[in-house]
Amino acid sequence: QSVMTQPRSVSGSPGQSVTISCTGTSSDVGGYDFVSWFQQHPGKAPKLMIFDVTKRPSGVPDRFSGSKSANTASLTISGLQAEDEADYYCCSYAGNYFWVFGGGTKLTVL
Amino acid sequence: QVQLVESGGDVVQPGGSLRLSCTASGFSFSSNDMNWVRQAPGKGLEWVTFITYDGKKKSYRDSVKGRFTISRDNSKNTLYLQMNSLRTEDTAVYYCAKDLRGGCCFDSWGQGTLVTVSS
Repeated sequence: QSVMTQPRSVSGSPGQSVTISCTGTSSDVGGYDFVSWFQQHPGKAPKLMIFDVTKRPSGVPDRFSGSKSANTASLTISGLQAEDEADYYCCSYAGNYFWVFGGGTKLTVL
Repeated sequence: QVQLVESGGDVVQPGGSLRLSCTASGFSFSSNDMNWVRQAPGKGLEWVTFITYDGKKKSYRDSVKGRFTISRDNSKNTLYLQMNSLRTEDTAVYYCAKDLRGGCCFDSWGQGTLVTVSS
């Protein structure tokens, strides 16, 4: 039940693109196409932004996209906006009804 | 719309017990698997425990196994977390989270309830 590895922080200017990586193992990210990403603003509950590696829930802008290669998943946010500034967490199913989160990444919009 | 409302958070001494509740509305609670996820102050998210829609299958992270018990009452649309032998490291905001579908992800979250374990 190890925490998946994310960069502590990333930043970008409005209109630019940023990518947040999430490195796990063959037992979680690499073993299942059940990677999800959450956005969390200070003092608020997390919000699902991406599920099943690449799918977006209704209402999430298409500026948000997900991908996966081997044991690493990525979240890309294009056309950065001020309201995208938040903490982002990856999550993966790890089998046998267990889930594991990444350590979280703070996104700063410059 | 989906609504999850947690309650029961409090300040408790190490070794004490607490029961959290999560009342659901806006969806078919009895058809959905549910989870508890926690977040220590200033820290990241941590999955805690899972229960199937019918309560027949449960799972726990190692650090809470044997101390925490997840349960549900589908007639009351309510999810519970019984926490015993609490430790200072259990201090966190506890969120209940609904599964989108088996294995996938947590598509709806409550606002959280704060549990503080301190002497």
